[in-house]
Amino acid sequence: SAVISQKPSRDICQRGTSLTIQCQVDSQVTMMFWYRQQPGQSLTLIATANQGSEATYESGFVIDKFPISRPNLTFSTLTVSNMSPEDSSIYLCSVGNRNPDTQYFGPGTRLTVL
Amino acid sequence: AQKITQTQPGMFVQEKEAVTLDCTYDTSDPSYGLFWYKQPSSGEMIFLIYQGSYDQQNATEGRYSLNFQKARKSANLVISASQLGDSAMYFCAMSPTGGGNKLTFGTGTQLKVEL
Repeated sequence: SAVISQKPSRDICQRGTSLTIQCQVDSQVTMMFWYRQQPGQSLTLIATANQGSEATYESGFVIDKFPISRPNLTFSTLTVSNMSPEDSSIYLCSVGNRNPDTQYFGPGTRLTVL
Repeated sequence: AQKITQTQPGMFVQEKEAVTLDCTYDTSDPSYGLFWYKQPSSGEMIFLIYQGSYDQQNATEGRYSLNFQKARKSANLVISASQLGDSAMYFCAMSPTGGGNKLTFGTGTQLKVEL
């Protein structure tokens, strides 16, 4: 299984600032995904991070608010911009594999915005 | 569009007993994958089991088995011989064509294992 790490593991930020979250995988993967989990809620997909092209965003999420980079096949970043308390969530990256079909998640980044 | 429904917000089970967590889904995709994840209070998402829509047999992984009934569009998770460490939130999810694609999650079931 892929080993995925995220930095930072948690952070407390002030309103109006930005935070960049890093996701590192120990093997090359084609697709990486970024999810948000608001307090007490399920996971919602923010975007698919494609290497060599722009990220594909889901409805309700925009590039200006959540810019994503994917410089190579093992690394991606998600920035949460101009933060408000409503952005307080766990942010998780994931990677998918075939044969066997699995999808693994990083440990998550707990973000609190004051 | 894909939709996952988990109708049990909370479940209790006694240690060493089996428990079934319900999951129904809706999709127009001809091929899809179904996943179950465990999320303990630490927040990490732990992959448990996967079932492909064209798999002939139900998936099993140790104490976890997936009761897949395609005609009913259900993919229930069965945990046998429950342990205290099984207490966690459990999410059912699906993707259009398997592990490489984006997941749609259900609302989750909070499982509490009691002595």
